Amino acid sequence: AQTVTQSQPEMSVQEAETVTLSCTYDTSESDYYLFWYKQPPSRQMILVIRQEAYKQQNATENRFSVNFQKAAKSFSLKISDSQLGDAAMYFCAYRSGGGSEKLVFGKGTKLTVNP
Amino acid sequence: DGGITQSPKYLFRKEGQNVTLSCEQNLNHDAMYWYRQDPGQGLRLIYYSQIVNDFQKGDIAEGYSVSREKKESFPLTVTSAQKNPTAFYLCASKSGGRYTDTQYFGPGTRLTVL
Repeated sequence: AQTVTQSQPEMSVQEAETVTLSCTYDTSESDYYLFWYKQPPSRQMILVIRQEAYKQQNATENRFSVNFQKAAKSFSLKISDSQLGDAAMYFCAYRSGGGSEKLVFGKGTKLTVNP
Repeated sequence: DGGITQSPKYLFRKEGQNVTLSCEQNLNHDAMYWYRQDPGQGLRLIYYSQIVNDFQKGDIAEGYSVSREKKESFPLTVTSAQKNPTAFYLCASKSGGRYTDTQYFGPGTRLTVL
């Protein structure tokens, strides 16, 4: 079974600085998708960024980018120019490309942004 | 506006009672999902449905039931058989097909058993 590990329960960053959140996963599959979701205090899960495993190019969405290392099974999220609104729980998630509908989530990293 | 709605936002239940959580989407998505979130934990899949009148168990289906009579609606019933139902419940949906892989979430329902 696939597992997702987020080794940093909490992180903090100064406003305007850059922070990287770590995620590793365990799978024997070659076709899969990886996601980062943000959960602000409102508790709604918001998609931040997604990556297809077959793509070598790292995904980017404005200030958010990933470092996808397929061989190392690592999928870190980099937030540049951090803003106060970035403060939230961040969850890494895995989905098999083989037709499974299941998202496997890590336990999350709580990000604090200091003014 | 297109989106996913969940109601109620907060729900209180006495022990031994069944309660039903509502999830509605107007995104014309084929697939819908129910997740449970406990403090300090990620989300765990309860049930999912890929088409109307069909659904499958997730990892923690015991004590829960669902129905999918309409494409827009996927209600979750928390039965008295669920031993520890106090949690935050999130509904999600996604459009069908192999490469439409992203799930979008509703705002959630907080269930508390008194």
